[in-house]
Amino acid sequence: DAGVTQSPTHLIKTRGQQVTLRCSPKSGHDTVSWYQQALGQGPQFIFQYYEEEERQRGNFPDRFSGHQFPNYSSELNVNALLLGDSALYLCASSSGVDTGELFFGEGSRLTVL
Amino acid sequence: QKEVEQDPGPLSVPEGAIVSLNCTYSNSAFQYFMWYRQYSRKGPELLMYTYSSGNKEDGRFTAQVDKSSKYISLFIRDSQPSDSATYLCAMNRDDKIIFGKGTRLHILP
Repeated sequence: DAGVTQSPTHLIKTRGQQVTLRCSPKSGHDTVSWYQQALGQGPQFIFQYYEEEERQRGNFPDRFSGHQFPNYSSELNVNALLLGDSALYLCASSSGVDTGELFFGEGSRLTVL
Repeated sequence: QKEVEQDPGPLSVPEGAIVSLNCTYSNSAFQYFMWYRQYSRKGPELLMYTYSSGNKEDGRFTAQVDKSSKYISLFIRDSQPSDSATYLCAMNRDDKIIFGKGTRLHILP
């Protein structure tokens, strides 16, 4: 049973560029959440997708957007990259919406130069 | 005041010792309380999950929740070098999971 898979694992971008990160949830899960984890910090909630709709959003600017596909996979897009966007981006999947049982991928490490 | 406060450590203890990790929170709306473990360069993995005050035990791990004091703890008995990791407390509010900063734990052989 494949867990949560994310791609790419590492990437380097320059300021002002755009990036797309991808996530496939654990088999049987229908909810995908995205988190940003800066070095030495806990994960910060970006947004959550359920039934192809954004259900919840954290305190992140509109430069951060996402999408969920009918097969429950998801993308995170970040436009106009800033140096401060350098972080580990974590995707987490869960079954249903009222649960704290998140299953995380290994993350995509983004470096913005 | 942050919603969830957690001492970042690092915390170093000798192998075999009992480890106590703690978080405080300010929002009484939190319903579920979790502890995640994160090894270096990996995603967090769920260790413990509780929703009521009291203790929950799973092997060498015990999670404790005190809603009246807004305080949660994770105890690790007979600590092993493989327990060296960052431990994140997390809480569920309105279907949003809020994480603490994480405590870096080193178990010294």
